[in-house]
Amino acid sequence: KAGVTQTPRYLIKTRGQQVTLSCSPISGHRSVSWYQQTPGQGLQFLFEYFSETQRNKGNFPGRFSGRQFSNSRSEMNVSTLELGDSALYLCASSYLRGARTGYTFGSGTRLTVV
Amino acid sequence: GIQVEQSPPDLILQEGANSTLRCNFSDSVNNLQWFHQNPWGQLINLFYIPSGTKQNGRLSATTVATERYSLLYISSSQTTDSGVYFCAVVRRGSTLGRLYFGRGTQLTVWP
Repeated sequence: KAGVTQTPRYLIKTRGQQVTLSCSPISGHRSVSWYQQTPGQGLQFLFEYFSETQRNKGNFPGRFSGRQFSNSRSEMNVSTLELGDSALYLCASSYLRGARTGYTFGSGTRLTVV
Repeated sequence: GIQVEQSPPDLILQEGANSTLRCNFSDSVNNLQWFHQNPWGQLINLFYIPSGTKQNGRLSATTVATERYSLLYISSSQTTDSGVYFCAVVRRGSTLGRLYFGRGTQLTVWP
């Protein structure tokens, strides 16, 4: 069974640009969540999608957005990039929104903003 | 939210030693997971353990939900055990699938 796939693995962008990250969950999983990891703030929740609807959103500015497609694949977008957006972005999938079996994470996308 | 505290923040061991990592949380939970973050950044799921005890090889975990803590035991540690260990929880009663993470324990195992 394939795991959670995140693409790309690495990205370098310039301030002011925008970026789109992709996450393909485990087959059959309908819940996809996104997390940002930085040395200073640790792992912080960005948002969660379930059945193509955003169900929960963390405390991030509107520059951070996402969506989920009918096949459960999810994308997140960051517009007008700032240096502080440099981070490891992790995606997690689960079948029942974390219940009973928990979440499985992808390998992450490491974003560097210069 | 819910506060998750992990201790110790850093742990240095020689190969073969045993260790115990602790996770305290401030509210009732219906999901608790232990993860190991490898050097490439991926969070590897070790245990899904909202209560009780589980074992997987040299690793075992115990969660005492009524007292709001969980322990991760690593026996006969190996250099490949090095990395950061995270505890993460979902608050009980929450219909929202949001994990709250601790700051992690950085484990270094020397040969």
